[in-house]
Amino acid sequence: AQSVTQLDSHVSVSEGTPVLLRCNYSSSYSPSLFWYVQHPNKGLQLLLKYTSAATLVKGINGFEAEFKKSETSFHLTKPSAHMSDAAEYFCVVYVTGTASKLTFGTGTRLQVTL
Amino acid sequence: GAVVSQHPSWVICKSGTSVKIECRSLDFQATTMFWYRQFPKQSLMLMATSNEGSKATYEQGVEKDKFLINHASLTLSTLTVTSAHPEDSSFYICSARERGDPRGNTQYFGPGTRLTVL
Repeated sequence: AQSVTQLDSHVSVSEGTPVLLRCNYSSSYSPSLFWYVQHPNKGLQLLLKYTSAATLVKGINGFEAEFKKSETSFHLTKPSAHMSDAAEYFCVVYVTGTASKLTFGTGTRLQVTL
Repeated sequence: GAVVSQHPSWVICKSGTSVKIECRSLDFQATTMFWYRQFPKQSLMLMATSNEGSKATYEQGVEKDKFLINHASLTLSTLTVTSAHPEDSSFYICSARERGDPRGNTQYFGPGTRLTVL
């Protein structure tokens, strides 16, 4: 069975400083990995996804993530945080199989301060 | 592209009444749609998976008679909460998987529906 662990429930950064949101996964097979962002009282927006192509994935709004198989990690980064980045971020894993369902991490709340 | 809408965005109803929530894929055909429930400050919990033209598959612990799902077309799925009670109050989010998605694993999410049962 697959699982995903978001190592920080809350991250606070100053505007203009780098963002790092950590995610580790567990999967018996080659996974597809996603990062979604959710603003308050809104649905989820796809930031980026990894599907076994390039290990460094670029997404929207300046975010990127690197798939590291040896570390079973898929951390999300952004060089410079903006106030509008404040939101909840979910790391998600998908493994092909009979279940074919997404497995969500518990989420990381990103706070951006002036 | 890949826009999913939900209607209504919020609804308040009396205990014992039924509420229908619509999920539409606006610019693509969705062979599969998913319904999630999210409690405050928590992650999403998958309730059921619906495939166009067939019965929905419910997750363990989800009452199929209480949460009726219909996926009548490739662009519309509905969730009806029957005989709603205050404990059904939650944020309901749908997602859709695009027909022809080569790996079939990317889901596009709707904006969610806030249900409050008085």
